[in-house]
Amino acid sequence: GAVVSQHPSWVICKSGTSVKIECRSLDFQATTMFWYRQFPKQSLMLMATSNEGSKATYEQGVEKDKFLINHASLTLSTLTVTSAHPEDSSFYICSAGAQAGYSNQPQHFGDGTRLSIL
Amino acid sequence: AQTVTQSQPEMSVQEAETVTLSCTYDTSESDYYLFWYKQPPSRQMILVIRQEAYKQQNATENRFSVNFQKAAKSFSLKISDSQLGDAAMYFCAYTGPSGTYKYIFGTGTRLKVLA
Repeated sequence: GAVVSQHPSWVICKSGTSVKIECRSLDFQATTMFWYRQFPKQSLMLMATSNEGSKATYEQGVEKDKFLINHASLTLSTLTVTSAHPEDSSFYICSAGAQAGYSNQPQHFGDGTRLSIL
Repeated sequence: AQTVTQSQPEMSVQEAETVTLSCTYDTSESDYYLFWYKQPPSRQMILVIRQEAYKQQNATENRFSVNFQKAAKSFSLKISDSQLGDAAMYFCAYTGPSGTYKYIFGTGTRLKVLA
C-alpha cells in the first residue's frame, strides 16, 4: 500500500532555532499534502494544505511566517518551524492525498514528528 | 462549513464484547467520504474503515463495521469481539470527494478494553 515517510520522528532543540520536518510519499505521487498539529489528548488540527508547485493554503489562525511550507515536488513537502519557541512544542503529522489519477483514495498519514523546544 | 461531532470522550468495553462509537456530521454536500481512524499510543494514524456517501451498504472490515445513516448524518463504528489491542483513540473524519480535500476530524473517543 501507499507509504508516507515523515522525518524526523522526534526532535529536541533550543528556543530560537528553526526546525525542518520532511514528508515524503515513497511509492506514489501526491498532488496535495496536508500538515496537522496535535496537542496532547486532542484531535488533529489542520494547519495548511500544500499543493505541488504552488503556495500553501493556511487555516485561519496559523501564522504562515512561523510555519513555512514548501511542496517542490510530487513526493516531498516540508514544514519549517522558524524561530521555534516552547509554545511550538507539539506533535506534527503530515498526510498525502490524491495519488495522481486516483481521486477517491484516502489520505495516507506519516508517523508524525514530536517537536520539543527547550 | 462541515463539522464532525463525537459525543463520547471515553468508552469502556469488556474483552470479547461489542462496543459502538458514535459520530455525527453536518454537511450540505451530497458526495463525500467518512472514515474511522485509530490512534494508539504510538500516535500513528491507522485507517480502520471508510464509507463512501453514495453507497447505501454499510462498510465492514473484519470485526469492524459501520452504521451509516445518511439522512440522519450519523456514522457509528461497531467493534465486535473487542481485543486488548483495540484500545486507542478513535477519530471520525469527513472529507470531500477526492484526496485533494482536507479532512475534518471529530474530537475523538478514547476506548479502553478491560481484560
